[in-house]
Amino acid sequence: GQNIDQPTEMTATEGAIVQINCTYQTSGFNGLFWYQQHAGEAPTFLSYNVLDGLEEKGRFSSFLSRSKGYSYLLLKELQMKDSASYLCAVRIGNTDKLIFGTGTRLQVFP
Amino acid sequence: NAGVMQNPRHLVRRRGQEARLRCSPMKGHSHVYWYRQLPEEGLKFMVYLQKENIIDESGMPKERFSAEFPKEGPSILRIQQVVRGDSAAYFCASSPQRQNYEQYFGPGTRLTVT
Repeated sequence: GQNIDQPTEMTATEGAIVQINCTYQTSGFNGLFWYQQHAGEAPTFLSYNVLDGLEEKGRFSSFLSRSKGYSYLLLKELQMKDSASYLCAVRIGNTDKLIFGTGTRLQVFP
Repeated sequence: NAGVMQNPRHLVRRRGQEARLRCSPMKGHSHVYWYRQLPEEGLKFMVYLQKENIIDESGMPKERFSAEFPKEGPSILRIQQVVRGDSAAYFCASSPQRQNYEQYFGPGTRLTVT
């Protein structure tokens, strides 16, 4: 079966750094994605990792270790608008479908 | 360049009625994906289509659900004889090619079955 685990909820303070972890056990792997989803809105793409290592994009970075089945999303200089759900998703093998975790709801406090 | 369009944004149906959800992909995109998000749950893949072809429908319930992406016009997700358990947000995503690094999501259709 396919299994993707993320913490359900996290809280952090404005200006701080937060790391959201994602572990996966899937039959085949062809890329890991992070999406941001504000309540009642569409998921928006944040990052994509297919090789081991760190991908940095502004305040957001994403890390992947394929041997450990592990990824994290790092958010720096947190802002109130970063309060949202963060979805980890894995693309399986040679397919095009994404398998999503249940998402991590992040609340940023002033 | 307009994003992925979905309509209606909200749809209310009584049990037993039919629901039709429409998705217009981004311009130049010929690959469409449908996902369902139940309350407090993650997105679940339903079906992947290209123009006039269903490529992967491994996530579609065996009965009452069907999808199409005709040569002209939007992709349609059709749910016949809706039941309360079909109440969910249905998201469509599109991409310009297979295994693109990003799928672009629409705003979703929130279906409520009363």
